Amino acid sequence: DTAVSQTPKYLVTQMGNDKSIKCEQNLGHDTMYWYKQDSKKFLKIMFSYNNKELIINETVPNRFSPKSPDKAHLNLHINSLELGDSAVYFCASTLSERGGNSPLHFGNGTRLTVT
Amino acid sequence: LAKTTQPISMDSYEGQEVNITCSHNNIATNDYITWYQQFPSQGPRFIIQGYKTKVTNEVASLFIPADRKSSTLSLPRVSLSDTAVYYCLVGDQLYNTDKLIFGTGTRLQVFP
Repeated sequence: DTAVSQTPKYLVTQMGNDKSIKCEQNLGHDTMYWYKQDSKKFLKIMFSYNNKELIINETVPNRFSPKSPDKAHLNLHINSLELGDSAVYFCASTLSERGGNSPLHFGNGTRLTVT
Repeated sequence: LAKTTQPISMDSYEGQEVNITCSHNNIATNDYITWYQQFPSQGPRFIIQGYKTKVTNEVASLFIPADRKSSTLSLPRVSLSDTAVYYCLVGDQLYNTDKLIFGTGTRLQVFP
């Protein structure tokens, strides 16, 4: 009965490859996010979708492309992976009806290592 | 830009009360204050949220002074399992990306 689940948990790949991370939430939320946590442990927003529509797109390389097939799923595809993409990627969700202060619910992260 | 400042780390012993203070001088009128807890290899977990005065739940208390320029997360009688990083967030977590950045957080280490 995991609320926000991400797959895979670990991802090791070589530079130049293309990879995807999947996220699903069963909380009935309508807004989902991708965060990146780097080696210094800063958590930064990358993208946000509300009801399948992109509402936040931070300064992220075009190699990163999110896709939301429905409001319960938000996937992240990364092209031409680089060493600097190594990080932990977290998916999160919330319910927009509660307003801008509704708490975020996070998945347990995907640790991406690019060699 | 609502920026938060927290101590980088704190140490405590089991059974003690721990208070972690967060400064947010530029808090806006509509901003709430939200605290998250993160264990290694896990995503942040919501602990408590407040707007003013005091909020208490089964996990923690949140004290917010009248000027709301700071807030204090209080963990009563900590145990080893409370060792984690605690983040303070201020503002609109839905649309305003400048308020969606988690800072360095406070790394709490609880000793037996």
